[in-house]
Amino acid sequence: HSALTQPASVSGSPGQSITISCTGTNSDIGAYSYVSWFQQHPGKAPKLIIYEVTNRPSGVPDRFSGSKSGNTASLTISGLQAEDEADYYCIASTYTSTHIFGGGTKLTVL
Amino acid sequence: EVQLLESGGGLVQPGGSLRLSCAASGFIFSSYAMSWVRQAPGKGLEWVSAISGSGGSTYYADSVKGRFTISRDNSKNTLSLQMNSLRAEDTAIYYCAKDLFCSGGGCNNFDYWGQGTLVTVSS
Repeated sequence: HSALTQPASVSGSPGQSITISCTGTNSDIGAYSYVSWFQQHPGKAPKLIIYEVTNRPSGVPDRFSGSKSGNTASLTISGLQAEDEADYYCIASTYTSTHIFGGGTKLTVL
Repeated sequence: EVQLLESGGGLVQPGGSLRLSCAASGFIFSSYAMSWVRQAPGKGLEWVSAISGSGGSTYYADSVKGRFTISRDNSKNTLSLQMNSLRAEDTAIYYCAKDLFCSGGGCNNFDYWGQGTLVTVSS
């Protein structure tokens, strides 16, 4: 399985909304609703922000939302804040119960 | 409070072996699947391996299959990763991660992560 495809970088101004895409195949994203998203600040461990496509863990602001259409999952961050500047990774399960990450997207808050 | 503490990283020569451990506390360890995820310096995340809560099911990325072995000791709340035939491309920070609610190993809802342990494969 190849890595899921994410844009290398996205940017937005405070208060704006941005969307990060994560494209896979009909053997992973397209087949199951097991897509999660992680936020990683430099030098820190990743943090779960979305699981099973649309669900937010306790404590994650509702500014973060997830969706899926076909073989592409998306993470939307609304009301962008300075602390949202980080790397974002998607992950999906495959038909062999293994998992693949996307290449990561660097979010810059202008 | 959930805590995951990795250990065992270090410098090893190509072809060598290393065993990583992850000490877990603050939750019922046997009830949750656990995974290892690695990150090469300056690169993205790569899922490495997972194990079910009971330890009866294990899963591996193609890049490590046949070289790495994941295991757990539920009596000691410890997760392990035995790494053999190490290659330069295995150089990375290795994180252990707990699943949010799955026990079966087929999920990727990693809600708690350790701080990571660095493995460097070099001569």
